[in-house]
Amino acid sequence: DAGVTQSPTHLIKTRGQQVTLRCSPKSGHDTVSWYQQALGQGPQFIFQYYEEEERQRGNFPDRFSGHQFPNYSSELNVNALLLGDSALYLCASSLASWNSPLHFGNGTRLTVT
Amino acid sequence: AQSVTQLDSQVPVFEEAPVELRCNYSSSVSVYLFWYVQYPNQGLQLLLKYLSGSTLVKGINGFEAEFNKSQTSFHLRKPSVHISDTAEYFCAVRVTGGGNKLTFGTGTQLKVEL
Repeated sequence: DAGVTQSPTHLIKTRGQQVTLRCSPKSGHDTVSWYQQALGQGPQFIFQYYEEEERQRGNFPDRFSGHQFPNYSSELNVNALLLGDSALYLCASSLASWNSPLHFGNGTRLTVT
Repeated sequence: AQSVTQLDSQVPVFEEAPVELRCNYSSSVSVYLFWYVQYPNQGLQLLLKYLSGSTLVKGINGFEAEFNKSQTSFHLRKPSVHISDTAEYFCAVRVTGGGNKLTFGTGTQLKVEL
């Protein structure tokens, strides 16, 4: 049973560019959340998708957007990249029920130069 | 808004010694509490969770934590650590009725030495 898979594992972009990160949830899960983990910090919640709609959003600017597909996979898009966007981006999947724990992928390491 | 404080950024300990990683939270509503572990270049793995019921919860790899509502704490303990426990540990909270969003602390680096 495959867990949460993310691609790519590493990415280097230049300031001002746009990036798309991808996530496939654990089999059977229908909810996907994205987190940003800056170096030496805890993960920060970006947003959550369920039934192809954004259900919750953290304190991130509109440059961060996402999408969920009918097969429950998800994309995170970041426009107009800033140096401060350099971080590990983690995808987590779960069921929509209140007591369903989050299962995390290994993340995508984004470096903005 | 809720917040999580992990007072110790680093905890060095010798192998086979006991360890406690501290976590305090702040919230105006009831919360669920979690501990996650992160090994280098990996994602987060759930160690244990408190949702309701017994305040002492046991998790994987011999870890346990106790929910103390009066002190708003959820400290993680292990009676005897192993070299393989060296990792970053994160405490997190989720408010009741707040969906699946987790608020994490800044993490504690546990370094187990021989």
